[in-house]
Amino acid sequence: AQSVTQPDIHITVSEGASLELRCNYSYGATPYLFWYVQSPGQGLQLLLKYFSGDTLVQGIKGFEAEFKRSQSSFNLRKPSVHWSDAAEYFCAVGAGTGNQFYFGTGTSLTVIP
Amino acid sequence: GAVVSQHPSWVICKSGTSVKIECRSLDFQATTMFWYRQFPKQSLMLMATSNEGSKATYEQGVEKDKFLINHASLTLSTLTVTSAHPEDSSFYICSASPSSGIYEQYFGPGTRLTVT
Repeated sequence: AQSVTQPDIHITVSEGASLELRCNYSYGATPYLFWYVQSPGQGLQLLLKYFSGDTLVQGIKGFEAEFKRSQSSFNLRKPSVHWSDAAEYFCAVGAGTGNQFYFGTGTSLTVIP
Repeated sequence: GAVVSQHPSWVICKSGTSVKIECRSLDFQATTMFWYRQFPKQSLMLMATSNEGSKATYEQGVEKDKFLINHASLTLSTLTVTSAHPEDSSFYICSASPSSGIYEQYFGPGTRLTVT
C-alpha cells in the first residue's frame, strides 16, 4: 500500500533563511510525487511534481525538490524563504488506477521576521 | 484557468439533518472528481473518487450511505452528508481532474462543516 510520511509537523525559519521540508514515501511502483501548498481560504496549489527524468525538479515560487529513489524521499527546498511562504505544505504520491492522490500529514511552516 | 469552486464555504447544521456540498469546475470539464476530508492540523484523507455518470468509488472505511456522492455532469459533483452527527464536523475538499491530464487535479477551497 502507498503511504507518505512528513516527519516534521511544524517548522519555523527566519525570513531569508533556507528551507528543507522532508517527505518519505512508500510505494511499490515508480511513484508520481507532488508537493502542494495550502493557505487559509485557498485551495491546494501545486508547487511541483515528479513523474520521471531529471530527479531535481523546479517548481513555482522558487521551490525545488529532489527525488532520491534510494532513500524513498522527495524533499522540498527553497534557498531563501519569504514571509509569504508561511503555509501548510503537503507531499503526495499519485497511485491507483483512478489517478488518486495520497497525502502526507503536512508540515506547517512559520516564517519569522 | 483550472478553477474549482465549492459551495458553501462553511455550513452549520443540526445533528440528524443532511447537508449538501457542491463542487464545480468552472473552466474545464472534469471527468473525475475527488472528495477529501481534512481534520484540523491533519492530512487530507481521500474519501471517494467519482466519474461522471458512474457510481462513486469509496475508500476503505468510508461509509457510502452516509456520504452520498453524485457526479451528474462534467462540471458538477455533490457530496451529501446524511444524518449528520458532530463527529462528521470537518473540512471537506474536492478536486477535479480534466480528462487530458494524468494525476492532474485542481482543488477547491474547501467547505467547513460544523454539526451541532
